[in-house]
Amino acid sequence: NAGVTQTPKFRILKIGQSMTLQCTQDMNHNYMYWYRQDPGMGLKLIYYSVGAGITDKGEVPNGYNVSRSTTEDFPLRLELAAPSQTSVYFCASSYLTGPGELFFGEGSRLTVL
Amino acid sequence: GNSVTQMEGPVTLSEEAFLTINCTYTATGYPSLFWYVQYPGEGLQLLLKATKADDKGSNKGFEATYRKETTSFHLEKGSVQVSDSAVYFCALRGNQFYFGTGTSLTVIP
Repeated sequence: NAGVTQTPKFRILKIGQSMTLQCTQDMNHNYMYWYRQDPGMGLKLIYYSVGAGITDKGEVPNGYNVSRSTTEDFPLRLELAAPSQTSVYFCASSYLTGPGELFFGEGSRLTVL
Repeated sequence: GNSVTQMEGPVTLSEEAFLTINCTYTATGYPSLFWYVQYPGEGLQLLLKATKADDKGSNKGFEATYRKETTSFHLEKGSVQVSDSAVYFCALRGNQFYFGTGTSLTVIP
């Protein structure tokens, strides 16, 4: 049971570089999310998607972009990386209906130097 | 709007002590409520959930009751173990998921 898979698990970027965090889920969930977690802090929603072709901004979308071309995949792109984007990024998914708990990936630790 | 307020930590307990982590919420309608646990270096895992008033969620000796009258969902465990050391997050699902800031628990032998 793969669940939610994120890659890479670790990455170091230089200021101004770009990269894409990959996320895929095999549970046929409609909803997918990207969160960031800063040291000692809770989760902040970056972007979310309610289905293929539909995305929307969360609490902290600046500096990020997403796309949702398939139900399974929800990549997060960082353009022009900045030190403020140093964080742990979590992808998550959930069903559209029912109690709809979130299923999380293991996280991607990004450091921007 | 929707929000979750969670007891601040860190919390340090001796093994076999009683644990309570307070969580209160503000929501429109009748949200589902959750407790998630994050072990060091890992992602968040669902610990327990409750979907309507007076429901009790339970798992691994942890319990929480959905109290609509007090808008609370406090997490309890009668006897904690060293392996329970983790960060605990209270959350609700309204139109989106809303998380508390997390409570770090350390259990010492």
